[in-house]
Amino acid sequence: KNQVEQSPQSLIILEGKNCTLQCNYTVSPFSNLRWYKQDTGRGPVSLTIMTFSENTKSNGRYTATLDADTKQSSLHITASQLSDSASYICVVSAKDSGGSNYKLTFGKGTLLTVNP
Amino acid sequence: DTEVTQTPKHLVMGMTNKKSLKCEQHMGHRAMYWYKQKAKKPPELMFVYSYEKLSINESVPSRFSPECPNSSLLNLHLHALQPEDSALYLCASSQDSGALGETQYFGPGTRLLVL
Repeated sequence: KNQVEQSPQSLIILEGKNCTLQCNYTVSPFSNLRWYKQDTGRGPVSLTIMTFSENTKSNGRYTATLDADTKQSSLHITASQLSDSASYICVVSAKDSGGSNYKLTFGKGTLLTVNP
Repeated sequence: DTEVTQTPKHLVMGMTNKKSLKCEQHMGHRAMYWYKQKAKKPPELMFVYSYEKLSINESVPSRFSPECPNSSLLNLHLHALQPEDSALYLCASSQDSGALGETQYFGPGTRLLVL
């Protein structure tokens, strides 16, 4: 069964500090992995997307890593800001059995709170 | 224009009402999606439209009826809903539903409350 597990469930940090969020998956056959940021009551916004051959991808203060061998990904946030407070969702896609569509498996997200 | 818009933002309806949620994108995307998201849970896929045809229905009850009038619009018709259907309904679109490396662009969602 395809699963995406994220840790921690929630995290509180002080403004200006760094943090790392974790994502482990058992999705197969793996297509790509994305990190989304979702503000409360809003739709998710894509931060990064990585395919099998990519190890690291950055988007401003966000840096995602992928280890396809261990099926782990991390999202590192540098110099956090109050506006980083949100839920961060790891989403892994796999090709379906017919190979014509891909299905997304969502993690439950990590709720990050950045305090002043 | 890289935006997916959804209307209304909020909707309160009774169990006997009929209402519709609307979603629109002008990015030329050929795949559009409906998701349901309960509080503190990840989005759950409901329907996928690819090239204006329903390609995936994740065993959603018939009280939810999707419609894709054209490549830019996606509706979700609601009838005889239950209180447990209260949730955030998200619309998303992507260039194509089957291409590798696709990113789905999400709308802001419609917050639905069924009384």
